[in-house]
Amino acid sequence: DGGITQSPKYLFRKEGQNVTLSCEQNLNHDAMYWYRQDPGQGLRLIYYSQIVNDFQKGDIAEGYSVSREKKESFPLTVTSAQKNPTAFYLCASRGAFAPGGANVLTFGAGSRLTVL
Amino acid sequence: SQQGEEDPQALSIQEGENATMNCSYKTSINNLQWYRQNSGRGLVHLILIRSNEREKHSGRLRVTLDTSKKSSSLLITASRAADTASYFCATVWGRSGGGADGLTFGKGTHLIIQP
Repeated sequence: DGGITQSPKYLFRKEGQNVTLSCEQNLNHDAMYWYRQDPGQGLRLIYYSQIVNDFQKGDIAEGYSVSREKKESFPLTVTSAQKNPTAFYLCASRGAFAPGGANVLTFGAGSRLTVL
Repeated sequence: SQQGEEDPQALSIQEGENATMNCSYKTSINNLQWYRQNSGRGLVHLILIRSNEREKHSGRLRVTLDTSKKSSSLLITASRAADTASYFCATVWGRSGGGADGLTFGKGTHLIIQP
């Protein structure tokens, strides 16, 4: 089945530690995205990548880093510089962009990070 | 910056009733989408309406779009307990040169269907 796999589902981290969240897709999608969701809040864009070896900062990139070495993979590292990292992290992907057309996103199941 | 804002923040109705959620946005859009999120899960795309469309149906879902008022509504008819979830509107605004930076989501409406 095609889809997006995020791991781990739950992660606990001590303050001062970096942690990497995995996102893998087998949909052959070009674009991938990382969103952060806080309780009762909407989604905020952290980073996105439209093609391999290229990525752009979103609205809240500070304290995060990404890489896009393979089309299928877009890992997110939450660094110790992120002051409030406890949140639910969602990875998404999108197929080829049609001008004026559908930017429908497919989401993974999410990773919940708790900093102790 | 958040583009869409849903209203109400929370809605509780009896099973079988219709549920209506609204979304307002600020700038011009290419299309508007509605997503559903079950508790602790990822979002699932429900329906997309383009800026030149006024109404769209998909099963028990009906979406309307009023670009003059910059607003959209999602109607779920004959609600079921399984419809309990959070519902988000998402917008993509016009961008020259193609490409996209993803969607901008509102804070969502939390819908509870009581059996």
